[in-house]
Amino acid sequence: DTGVSQDPRHKITKRGQNVTFRCDPISEHNRLYWYRQTLGQGPEFLTYFQNEAQLEKSRLLSDRFSAERPKGSFSTLEIQRTEQGDSAMYLCASGRTGQPQHFGDGTRLSIL
Amino acid sequence: QKEVEQDPGPLSVPEGAIVSLNCTYSNSAFQYFMWYRQYSRKGPELLMYTYSSGNKEDGRFTAQVDKSSKYISLFIRDSQPSDSATYLCAMTLDSNYQLIWGAGTKLIIKP
Repeated sequence: DTGVSQDPRHKITKRGQNVTFRCDPISEHNRLYWYRQTLGQGPEFLTYFQNEAQLEKSRLLSDRFSAERPKGSFSTLEIQRTEQGDSAMYLCASGRTGQPQHFGDGTRLSIL
Repeated sequence: QKEVEQDPGPLSVPEGAIVSLNCTYSNSAFQYFMWYRQYSRKGPELLMYTYSSGNKEDGRFTAQVDKSSKYISLFIRDSQPSDSATYLCAMTLDSNYQLIWGAGTKLIIKP
């Protein structure tokens, strides 16, 4: 059990650029979640998958955000046309059905 | 008003003290309650996971849930400087569902 892995750990980009983050969940965890956390706040839910199916998306997830989980393994979160307000820590978590979520160390996004 | 309220602190206590951290919530439908610890520039680490009301103990940590008062607590005994971190409470309607979080309490243990 190697834990949830996220890549990259830190991404710096200019406003208007597209960025993509990757999450590798704990093996055999069928559920995968994305959250966003800003300084001094708790995480906010973005979306989650059961296997390859995206079951729910928050209203925070505007049309500039898209997430995929092909084949029910790793997941990617893409942000198009980044804005200053997108600067945050993007956290991925995974879990088995009926079990608590375990988090990775996140990708910190900085928009110049 | 937020669904989950948590005092942001900071809470500063001497090493060896008993620490009490708390959250209140408004949604009586929450059934699962968690405490996570988060160090700077790291992801949340699960400490305690409880269902419904009652107490749960794990080493130096004790979690309490009082659903009638919509109040949860985390106690840390014999606190250590390595316990210095931000403690986040989280809760959910269903164990598979999204988590609703408090803002976190920053805890400082002074040697």
